[in-house]
Amino acid sequence: DAGITQSPRHKVTETGTPVTLRCHQTENHRYMYWYRQDPGHGLRLIHYSYGVKDTDKGEVSDGYSVSRSKTEDFLLTLESATSSQTSVYFCAISVRDVGANNEQFFGPGTRLTVL
Amino acid sequence: KQEVTQIPAALSVPEGENLVLNCSFTDSAIYNLQWFRQDPGKGLTSLLLIQSSQREQTSGRLNASLDKSSGRSTLYIAASQPGDSATYLCAVAGGSQGNLIFGKGTKLSVKP
Repeated sequence: DAGITQSPRHKVTETGTPVTLRCHQTENHRYMYWYRQDPGHGLRLIHYSYGVKDTDKGEVSDGYSVSRSKTEDFLLTLESATSSQTSVYFCAISVRDVGANNEQFFGPGTRLTVL
Repeated sequence: KQEVTQIPAALSVPEGENLVLNCSFTDSAIYNLQWFRQDPGKGLTSLLLIQSSQREQTSGRLNASLDKSSGRSTLYIAASQPGDSATYLCAVAGGSQGNLIFGKGTKLSVKP
């Protein structure tokens, strides 16, 4: 257990509303990631963070923003949710710094439905 | 652009059989390769991490191999059990930040 929690675990919202998903870790690791998982696409990286206030874009970042004001929390915001953002969202952490030993551990996921 | 492919997409075997899951990737410049297990409606569980300098890793009934030059990895499961039924995902880490690129997974069903 890598000490990762995600909230909420399930959410239904309407098109055009803002949504924020939270990832919390208890292990004080430097790297945190947000992925989405969709049938036919697998897991794809949205954004990642390599420290407090240090974030960067992943493969599918359009329509998403992130913030990390504390080591333990990484927030993903959908500024104006669309139906194409209906997905399962996973947070992950890296146990060690980037490099050969960069093993990632995943949270339980948030299922988001945008109507 | 790195691409990761897993074949087959689904596999059904009888209990007790030894089996091999395949993963291939297009760019051999990787830091490591990680195998995960995902149960329906659940998150990913890390099974094995193979660093780029290693050839294989073992954990219990699982053995993963890595051939970086040919862009291939295999996950060997010995004496399969119904509890092994899940989707198995392969991911390679590369680039300056070591971000993971995932395959689409192999859905394994082990029949009692």
